Formats: sequence, structure tokens, C-alpha cells
Amino acid sequence: KQEVTQIPAALSVPEGENLVLNCSFTDSAIYNLQWFRQDPGKGLTSLLLIQSSQREQTSGRLNASLDKSSGRSTLYIAASQPGDSATYLCAVRPNRDDKIIFGKGTRLHILP
Amino acid sequence: GAVVSQHPSRVICKSGTSVKIECRSLDFQATTMFWYRQFPKQSLMLMATSNEGSKATYEQGVEKDKFLINHASLTLSTLTVTSAHPEDSSFYICSARDRGVGPSYGYTFGSGTRLTVV
Repeated sequence: KQEVTQIPAALSVPEGENLVLNCSFTDSAIYNLQWFRQDPGKGLTSLLLIQSSQREQTSGRLNASLDKSSGRSTLYIAASQPGDSATYLCAVRPNRDDKIIFGKGTRLHILP
Repeated sequence: GAVVSQHPSRVICKSGTSVKIECRSLDFQATTMFWYRQFPKQSLMLMATSNEGSKATYEQGVEKDKFLINHASLTLSTLTVTSAHPEDSSFYICSARDRGVGPSYGYTFGSGTRLTVV
């Protein structure tokens, strides 16, 4: 059974710092992996999707990497800003027809 | 990009009444939609998988007679909370999976509905 773990559960850093959020999954046979952002009381916004054959994806200040063999993904946020404060969720899709499995998220707080 | 519209964003209803929440895929066809429930400061809990033209598949512990799901078209799924009680108060979120195949297709989420039963 696939399980997704996110570390740390919460993180507070001063504005301007670069930071890394971690996601691990127990079964390396995945179809793709998505990183989402959720603001309080809002839905989820997709940030990056990495296909199983890819190693990383980049969008602006965000970079997500995928190491399928070790069951790990990281989300790198460069030059953090107070607007980056949110909960970041990692989700794994086991195969084409399966529902995605979420980690419990990392609550990020960027201090002005 | 793919957009999922969810309405209403907030609803307050009296105990014993029913509430319908709509989830629409605006620019793509979604053969499969998902309904989640989220408690404060917790991750999403999958309630059911909605397939166009067929019965929804409910997760263990979710009452199908209380949470009625209808997926009548490729762009619309509805969740009806029947005979609502205060313990049904929660944040409900839908998501849709693009019918396109391939690992480059992901999931798109609605903006959520805050249900308060008084």
C-alpha cells in the first residue's frame, strides 16, 4: 500500500531564504507526482507535475525533483517571500487509473 | 490550463435540510471526478470517486445515502449532503482528472465549499 510522508510538518523561515520541502513515498512504481499549494480556506493549486520518467520540473522560483528509485521528491523554493506562506501538499498517482495519494502537507510560514 | 469551478464557496443551512454542491470542469472533459472532505488543519480525506454515467464509488466509512453523488455529464458532478447535521459541517473539495491519457495529465481542484450546519 502506497504511503506518502512529508517532512517537516511545519516550517518557519525568514523572508529571502531558500528552502526545501521533502516528500517520500513507499512504492517507487508511480505514474506521476504533483505538488500542490493550499491557502487557508481555499482549494488546491497545482504547482508542478513530474512524470515518472522525469527528474525535475521548474516553474519560476519553484523546482521539484523526483528520485523514483529512492522514493523521494523535493520542492525547492528560492528567495522565499511572505506570499509563499501556505500549506504544501505532495501527491502521488500510483498508475494511470488510480486516485492520487496525498501526504499530510508542510505548513510553511515566511516571516517578513 | 485546466479549471474546475466549484459552487457555492460557502453555505449555511439548517439541520435536517439538504445541500447541493456543484463541481464543473470548465475547459476539459472529466470522466472521473473526486470528492474530498477536509477537517481543520488536516489533509484531504477522499470520500468518493464519481464516474460519468455510472454509480459513484464510495470510500470505506462514507455513507452513500447521506452523500449523494451524481455525475450526469463529462463536465458536471454534484454532491448532495442529505438531512445535514452539525457534524457534517466541513470543507468539501472536488477535483477532476482530465480524460487525456499519459503521465503529463494531473488533477485539478475546485476552490472548495465551506458547509456550516446550524
